Amino acid sequence: EAQVTQNPRYLITVTGKKLTVTCSQNMNHEYMSWYRQDPGLGLRQIYYSMNVEVTDKGDVPEGYKVSRKEKRNFPLILESPSPNQTSLYFCASSRSGTGLSYEQYFGPGTRLTVT
Amino acid sequence: LAKTTQPISMDSYEGQEVNITCSHNNIATNDYITWYQQFPSQGPRFIIQGYKTKVTNEVASLFIPADRKSSTLSLPRVSLSDTAVYYCLVGDFAPSGGYNKLIFGAGTRLAVHP
Repeated sequence: EAQVTQNPRYLITVTGKKLTVTCSQNMNHEYMSWYRQDPGLGLRQIYYSMNVEVTDKGDVPEGYKVSRKEKRNFPLILESPSPNQTSLYFCASSRSGTGLSYEQYFGPGTRLTVT
Repeated sequence: LAKTTQPISMDSYEGQEVNITCSHNNIATNDYITWYQQFPSQGPRFIIQGYKTKVTNEVASLFIPADRKSSTLSLPRVSLSDTAVYYCLVGDFAPSGGYNKLIFGAGTRLAVHP
């Protein structure tokens, strides 16, 4: 089954404790992206990756890191989480980052709480 | 990137046709119009995409007038399960480079009642 998986689905952590949210897709997609969703603000893009070893900042990259060493994986790293990073996070992928390929497939989401 | 404007919320009843209009006055020549659906605590799901005139799939229809400054998502005979947030996005078609940057606004919260 074609899908985007994220782990963990729920996470409660404390300020400053490094964490990683994993994202994996099995569709051989080139393009992957991370979003955060907060009430009243819709989805905002954090980082995206056009392909392996190619990443760039989205609209709200501060406090986050990403890496794309393999095509299928795109982990989101919070080196020193803060309470303002409490949010619902979505990973997404699409066949390509250019051209007519707006059909992004989203993962189930990771609800992160930083206390 | 073109900004979109949609109604914040809409109400409908089962079996009715629902039309959600999105305004995108600054749409560029290469921009496509895409709609996503999102249920609570789930990731958005692609519904339909179009450039001009009308596009129809098994789920919805998308109407785009000649000036492309607006678009209308039409959901035929909605059911309770269509209660969700619907996002209209306008983005670049960039075959020469760049990338497809998706900007999700607040969306339209559709409530379908029995």
